[in-house]
Amino acid sequence: NAGVTQTPKFRVLKTGQSMTLLCAQDMNHEYMYWYRQDPGMGLRLIHYSVGEGTTAKGEVPDGYNVSRLKKQNFLLGLESAAPSQTSVYFCASSPLGRVDGQPQHFGDGTRLSIL
Amino acid sequence: AQTVTQSQPEMSVQEAETVTLSCTYDTSESDYYLFWYKQPPSRQMILVIRQEAYKQQNATENRFSVNFQKAAKSFSLKISDSQLGDAAMYFCAFLTQGGSEKLVFGKGTKLTVNP
Repeated sequence: NAGVTQTPKFRVLKTGQSMTLLCAQDMNHEYMYWYRQDPGMGLRLIHYSVGEGTTAKGEVPDGYNVSRLKKQNFLLGLESAAPSQTSVYFCASSPLGRVDGQPQHFGDGTRLSIL
Repeated sequence: AQTVTQSQPEMSVQEAETVTLSCTYDTSESDYYLFWYKQPPSRQMILVIRQEAYKQQNATENRFSVNFQKAAKSFSLKISDSQLGDAAMYFCAFLTQGGSEKLVFGKGTKLTVNP
């Protein structure tokens, strides 16, 4: 019963490098989300997807791209990493329709450091 | 746009005593959901309690209860009989409707439990 799995859990990058964070969910959820968490800022929505093949911008989308080619996967890309993108990244998913319990299921986060 | 405000960056409580964490929000919606999440040092986002706005009765989950004041747009969390394991960051969150079901988070309150 994996839920939401994020890969990798930790990563250190140099400024200008690129990388992709992978989020996979096995609950057949329609919605998926990427957040970043910075000290004193709570979680802020980067991008989200309401279904396979769709993506939309959240509160802080600049510098990131996303893709949802398969329903179970949601990828977050950094094309040219900057120190300001040092953060903890969370992926979440939720089912379509009325909220019956947990609104979103979260992964365990990815700690990303940009030097 | 919805906003969530947690005015207490840090709180402390003695073990076995009661503490209340504050949360206010701003929205023009009439039907929505509110949540409290707990984030221990492990970084997991753990749902503590949820409240549907159309329900006047305050939600309760064991030692956790809320004081939901819809007119005042206030949603405080009361933790009774505090335990050492309650020490964590606590986030208040508002769930937007309209097809995307996005969570808007407050900046969090760090709770310390003193033995």
